[in-house]
Amino acid sequence: NAGVTQTPKFRILKIGQSMTLQCTQDMNHNYMYWYRQDPGMGLKLIYYSVGAGITDKGEVPNGYNVSRSTTEDFPLRLELAAPSQTSVYFCASSKPWGEMSFGYTFGSGTRLTVV
Amino acid sequence: AQKVTQAQTEISVVEKEDVTLDCVYETRDTTYYLFWYKQPPSGELVFLIRRNSFDEQNEISGRYSWNFQKSTSSFNFTITASQVVDSAVYFCALSESPPLVFGKGTRLSVIA
Repeated sequence: NAGVTQTPKFRILKIGQSMTLQCTQDMNHNYMYWYRQDPGMGLKLIYYSVGAGITDKGEVPNGYNVSRSTTEDFPLRLELAAPSQTSVYFCASSKPWGEMSFGYTFGSGTRLTVV
Repeated sequence: AQKVTQAQTEISVVEKEDVTLDCVYETRDTTYYLFWYKQPPSGELVFLIRRNSFDEQNEISGRYSWNFQKSTSSFNFTITASQVVDSAVYFCALSESPPLVFGKGTRLSVIA
């Protein structure tokens, strides 16, 4: 089992460009999340989804968009990239909150630099 | 609102010393989960432990131990006889609903 797969692992964008960070999980988890980690900081929630067709904003959603058309995929779209979006992005998935063995599985991250 | 505070930004110890990483949390819920994650220099997040709010038993796993005290809203992590491989950033996290809320992390450096 691959778990949570994020692509690409690294990317350099120019200011104003757009891109989509891909996230796929094969554990049939209903819940998926996007976090960003700035240097020396903890992880901050961008968006999350509790199921296909349902998304909700987290702490830092500005400049990002998400969609959840399938259980497996939760892509994160950056429109008009800005230097402030330089960060490491982590995707995660989980079973519904409160279920036995509830926990979060994280992808390996995407390191994005906007220049 | 939920919040996690890791007051220690950086800790440096000499190998074989014991070290405790502090975690204080805030929540209004009676049902919640607490986690610890390790982030080594390679950058991935490694799950260490999950504890639900109804289980205050302390836990030991090899050189790692966790002390959960609801009375002080703390979930501290102790590494006994630290090793260079323990050098990493350690995150405490709280979940009272689906998203996980992280503390800012404690960077631990173990010097040989």
